[in-house]
Amino acid sequence: DVKVTQSSRYLVKRTGEKVFLECVQDMDHENMFWYRQDPGLGLRLIYFSYDVKMKEKGDIPEGYSVSREKKERFSLILESASTNQTSMYLCASSSSRYRVTEAFFGQGTRLTVV
Amino acid sequence: AQKVTQAQTEISVVEKEDVTLDCVYETRDTTYYLFWYKQPPSGELVFLIRRNSFDEQNEISGRYSWNFQKSTSSFNFTITASQVVDSAVYFCALEAGTALIFGKGTTLSVSS
Repeated sequence: DVKVTQSSRYLVKRTGEKVFLECVQDMDHENMFWYRQDPGLGLRLIYFSYDVKMKEKGDIPEGYSVSREKKERFSLILESASTNQTSMYLCASSSSRYRVTEAFFGQGTRLTVV
Repeated sequence: AQKVTQAQTEISVVEKEDVTLDCVYETRDTTYYLFWYKQPPSGELVFLIRRNSFDEQNEISGRYSWNFQKSTSSFNFTITASQVVDSAVYFCALEAGTALIFGKGTTLSVSS
């Protein structure tokens, strides 16, 4: 079974903290993605990566950065967490560099910034 | 610009009813893929189907069926004889480069 694992299911952080959300996939997939899910807004793409050390901005990259030092791991970083970043964060991976094949999702991290 | 619209925010049905979830998309690409995902209350998105823009044949998988019509840019999803376990949020998505663009989702509630 393909597995995309996010390090935390629930996270509570304080405003101004630096926050790391970790995601690991075990299928040697080329592409990895971070989405944010909010009620009434669906899933919005924050960043994605198609190779180690490569990254591309999605639709809402402001306030976030990412890191992909190893193929299997893709980290989302909130440099200085704010309350408007309270949300559900979903990591995904897919195999093809050039087309989107089936994307596999992790279980999500519900982040609350207080 | 690429866009996916799921006009139905919430749908409530009684078990055994048929229900259709609408999806309309916009893209300038001539070749593209469309997807449907299910998100049950547990939260993890589950892949249901991927359809190539060249293939307009309807697809049926058990109680699920999909109707792809390029002429109207629609990719609708029908659940026949709905069950309580079908209660979930359903997302339609469009390939955009190497990422997916999602609609806002339709919440389906099936009561017994």
